[in-house]
Amino acid sequence: KQEVTQIPAALSVPEGENLVLNCSFTDSAIYNLQWFRQDPGKGLTSLLLIQSSQREQTSGRLNASLDKSSGRSTLYIAASQPGDSATYLCAPRRDSGGYQKVTFGTGTKLQVIP
Amino acid sequence: GAGVSQSPSNKVTEKGKDVELRCDPISGHTALYWYRQSLGQGLEFLIYFQGNSAPDKSGLPSDRFSAERTGGSVSTLTIQRTQQEDSAVYLCASSLVGRGLGNTIYFGEGSWLTVV
Repeated sequence: KQEVTQIPAALSVPEGENLVLNCSFTDSAIYNLQWFRQDPGKGLTSLLLIQSSQREQTSGRLNASLDKSSGRSTLYIAASQPGDSATYLCAPRRDSGGYQKVTFGTGTKLQVIP
Repeated sequence: GAGVSQSPSNKVTEKGKDVELRCDPISGHTALYWYRQSLGQGLEFLIYFQGNSAPDKSGLPSDRFSAERTGGSVSTLTIQRTQQEDSAVYLCASSLVGRGLGNTIYFGEGSWLTVV
């Protein structure tokens, strides 16, 4: 069974800082990993999807890296802004008996202080 | 449609009543997921539909929970004889199937269920 851990559970930083969110997973037989953000009272918004054959994926101030063999992914946020305050979730995906299995971490709650 | 649509957005029901939650996935998406998120908790997998294959029901917490997907599109999650511990937001998501770059998972805004 896939176990996904996100560290830290919560993070508070001043505006403008660069920061790294960590995600580790126990089953490295994944074919992609997706990062999401969740705002309070809202659904999940997709940020980045990184394929198992990729090492990095970038979108604006966000950069996700994947080290499949070690079961790790990081989300780097450059020049953080108050609008980045949200909970960030990682979700590795794998095949299991022909079905897609997606497991979510418990998230990192980020607060960016103006 | 443009995104995953869920209804109702909010539902307050009395303990013991049945509820139905609806999910309308993105057009053409053959994979559909239901998750549950209790207040302050992580996402709990409930059920997964993929095309015409038998659904993966391994996450349904009890036989009071059931789901169907008609015509490979709209899905309904039914909770019978609701209990207070069923109070949560129920999230639906959809995606294409396969290993290409296009199989991003998209979520709806959720259905907030309160059992009183």
